[in-house]
Amino acid sequence: GAGVSQSPSNKVTEKGKDVELRCDPISGHTALYWYRQSLGQGLEFLIYFQGNSAPDKSGLPSDRFSAERTGGSVSTLTIQRTQQEDSAVYLCASSFSGHSSYEQYFGPGTRLTVT
Amino acid sequence: QQQVKQSPQSLIVQKGGISIINCAYENTAFDYFPWYQQFPGKGPALLIAIRPDVSEKKEGRFTISFNKSAKQFSLHIMDSQPGDSATYFCAPYGNNRLAFGKGNQVVVIP
Repeated sequence: GAGVSQSPSNKVTEKGKDVELRCDPISGHTALYWYRQSLGQGLEFLIYFQGNSAPDKSGLPSDRFSAERTGGSVSTLTIQRTQQEDSAVYLCASSFSGHSSYEQYFGPGTRLTVT
Repeated sequence: QQQVKQSPQSLIVQKGGISIINCAYENTAFDYFPWYQQFPGKGPALLIAIRPDVSEKKEGRFTISFNKSAKQFSLHIMDSQPGDSATYFCAPYGNNRLAFGKGNQVVVIP
């Protein structure tokens, strides 16, 4: 079946502009996660959605970052007034909820470059 | 504050050899202890995972050894192959998230 898809695969933007990154999770997965991977680093948790519950936004680095998940499926991560330190690969993952939530399926990521 | 530390940062192994990479964690509230494998340009993929009430788990050429009292777990890759060349992340799971280490780069030379 289809895996997690993300778009765009690459995004170059000027400092100060807003960007939107999209994630399509695996059908049937109720949990959705966003992570950020800076060059040569591990993944940093950003936000977690579970069904219709309020999202866990505790990993968002600043109020310039926001995310929504519509209809329990597609998610959009928005970064306002981008800064150079926002340059990274943004990865989306989905999973079943419950005890198997450690098994997360990742998309290929969106590489964001802020110039 | 880095909750998860991996060592060594990089490892070069000959084909057929054993790769051993280690992970130390601080948080005692983790529920599960997975290793993820990442190839360039791809997202990480689950390789193998262990529950905290088990000391060892083997799947094919991959084995996790878990030491709960020392708060450490390791990944052993037996009979390493060039196709195993990748970055490996330990990513303990708890509180609805994976806590990734910085990764171990493993290179298997023919």
